[in-house]
Amino acid sequence: GAGVSQTPSNKVTEKGKYVELRCDPISGHTALYWYRQSLGQGPEFLIYFQGTGAADDSGLPNDRFFAVRPEGSVSTLKIQRTERGDSAVYLCASSVTGTGVSPLHFGNGTRLTVT
Amino acid sequence: TQLLEQSPQFLSIQEGENLTVYCNSSSVFSSLQWYRQEPGEGPVLLVTVVTGGEVKKLKRLTFQFGDARKDSSLHITAAQPGDTGLYLCAGDSGNQFYFGTGTSLTVIP
Repeated sequence: GAGVSQTPSNKVTEKGKYVELRCDPISGHTALYWYRQSLGQGPEFLIYFQGTGAADDSGLPNDRFFAVRPEGSVSTLKIQRTERGDSAVYLCASSVTGTGVSPLHFGNGTRLTVT
Repeated sequence: TQLLEQSPQFLSIQEGENLTVYCNSSSVFSSLQWYRQEPGEGPVLLVTVVTGGEVKKLKRLTFQFGDARKDSSLHITAAQPGDTGLYLCAGDSGNQFYFGTGTSLTVIP
């Protein structure tokens, strides 16, 4: 079966613009995570969904960031009024249950560049 | 924020050498996972350790979970160029996975 799919793979936008990043998890995975990663660093947690609801959104840096998962499958990360500091690789991962014994399956990420 | 510190941050070694990567935290985790990431790709799971003191072997890789479940180590024997990548530990706190700061390994042929 297909793995986690993220689109677009690259996104260049101007400061102040709005962007949407899409994540298609593995079918049947109830847990979905968004992370942000800078070059050579570990992924930084943003938000975790269990089904349709955000179980933990404590990692969202400010109210410009928002994520949805309306049908418990595809998720969209939305960033308003982008800033140059938002430039990073945004990773999405899904897992069967969301517990520690259930591995995270990552997509290849969306590289966001804010000019 | 539960911080997982990895050391060393960068490691460059010759093929055939042994190495150990450390993952330390002041927090207790119910389980800990190790991932390897290559450029342009997402991290890929290597192993999950659950029990304090647990040791798992995966070919030339040996993983250990500390007795108190706050730290872990990854030992690679006879490193090969194919081992090159970013190694990440991730602790499960029950609601999310916290990733370590990462260890970038380069194995020179």
